[in-house]
Amino acid sequence: NAGVTQTPKFQVLKTGQSMTLQCAQDMNHNSMYWYRQDPGMGLRLIYYSASEGTTDKGEVPNGYNVSRLNKREFSLRLESAAPSQTSVYFCASRGGLGETQYFGPGTRLLVL
Amino acid sequence: QQQVKQSPQSLIVQKGGISIINCAYENTAFDYFPWYQQFPGKGPALLIAIRPDVSEKKEGRFTISFNKSAKQFSLHIMDSQPGDSATYFCAASIRSRGSQGNLIFGKGTKLSVKP
Repeated sequence: NAGVTQTPKFQVLKTGQSMTLQCAQDMNHNSMYWYRQDPGMGLRLIYYSASEGTTDKGEVPNGYNVSRLNKREFSLRLESAAPSQTSVYFCASRGGLGETQYFGPGTRLLVL
Repeated sequence: QQQVKQSPQSLIVQKGGISIINCAYENTAFDYFPWYQQFPGKGPALLIAIRPDVSEKKEGRFTISFNKSAKQFSLHIMDSQPGDSATYFCAASIRSRGSQGNLIFGKGTKLSVKP
């Protein structure tokens, strides 16, 4: 039981490049989330998906797109990376009646 | 209205001491208040949580105190150990039917416990 997995663990991009961050969970959870974590800013919600086939904007969605590929997978795409998107990105999932969000190990992204 | 304000930003405690982290909120609709613990290089993990129908919840050395009238809640770590050194986040959400239940996080407190 791996829980929430994220790939890649670390990535360096040049300004303007695109990339997709992958997230998968094996807990049969309905809800999935993407957060970014910056020093002194806590965890800020980028996008979330309450169930397969639905996605909604969070607090800081600009510059990002998401895809809920199936119940297991929720990807985050940066179409044209900017230095302001340098951050640590966390994916999380939550079960239908549960309250606990389970986080992945994170992806560290550096945009030069 | 949606913010959760957390203090202090950083905290240094001697081994065996009590660590106290405070959070305050404005939205009275919040009805679930968890604390997450994050070690360096790892994702956050749920530590302990409370609902507003109780004023205190204890799990081992970790206690949440909740003051509904003041709209404040705090985490107390008794007999703090070097292994407790981590970043702690408070959070709040609305768990009632019809709500998405998204967590609103505080900005975090970096705790260092000195041997």
